Amino acid sequence: GAGVSQSPRYKVAKRGQDVALRCDPISGHVSLFWYQQALGQGPEFLTYFQNEAQLDKSGLPSDRFFAERPEGSVSTLKIQRTQQEDSAVYLCASSSAGTAGNTIYFGEGSWLTVV
Amino acid sequence: DQQVKQNSPSLSVQEGRISILNCDYTNSMFDYFLWYKKYPAEGPTFLISISSIKDKNEDGRFTVFLNKSAKHLSLHIVPSQPGDSAVYFCAARGQNFVFGPGTRLSVLP
Repeated sequence: GAGVSQSPRYKVAKRGQDVALRCDPISGHVSLFWYQQALGQGPEFLTYFQNEAQLDKSGLPSDRFFAERPEGSVSTLKIQRTQQEDSAVYLCASSSAGTAGNTIYFGEGSWLTVV
Repeated sequence: DQQVKQNSPSLSVQEGRISILNCDYTNSMFDYFLWYKKYPAEGPTFLISISSIKDKNEDGRFTVFLNKSAKHLSLHIVPSQPGDSAVYFCAARGQNFVFGPGTRLSVLP
């Protein structure tokens, strides 16, 4: 596709509910990143994939967070048993190069509100 | 411990004048630096970048300066336009991309 596509754009979840956020990166992009952005702050790294391999998951805040990219293209970020502190914008980004690459391009984000 | 800092949360500039946004970093292993611009309810958009082997990169109205010894970079926008009003994020590449907290630029007509 022309750009990074994320869905849903907006999600309201009840505390304790599981959510799944989808990212469709730019076609052919090898690297894929997930970031979390809280209100008034910069994006915080969650995890990084090179093709289907999850090379870095050091930013995932707890074992309730899980990400996958089984075929090396579309990725899903899953949050189990959501808590209020999970409320944030979840940004997906992709890059054409491996080993993080030079420039990452973001989608519009998935806005998660946990009530 | 913030590895990328943007110490000015906001900046107001008159239309036509220069906007200077600053960024400081602590990790000397960072080898590539980027600036992103973000409008409300949108994702960050790539603006300009610079490799650590250079000290200046220019693209139209946007210039990024890098001072490695001071671990400091800045983004200059000349002339500033009302459409430049947005939040600007500085980012640095290490094992992944580390972002600063952002500076909100307001360009006043």
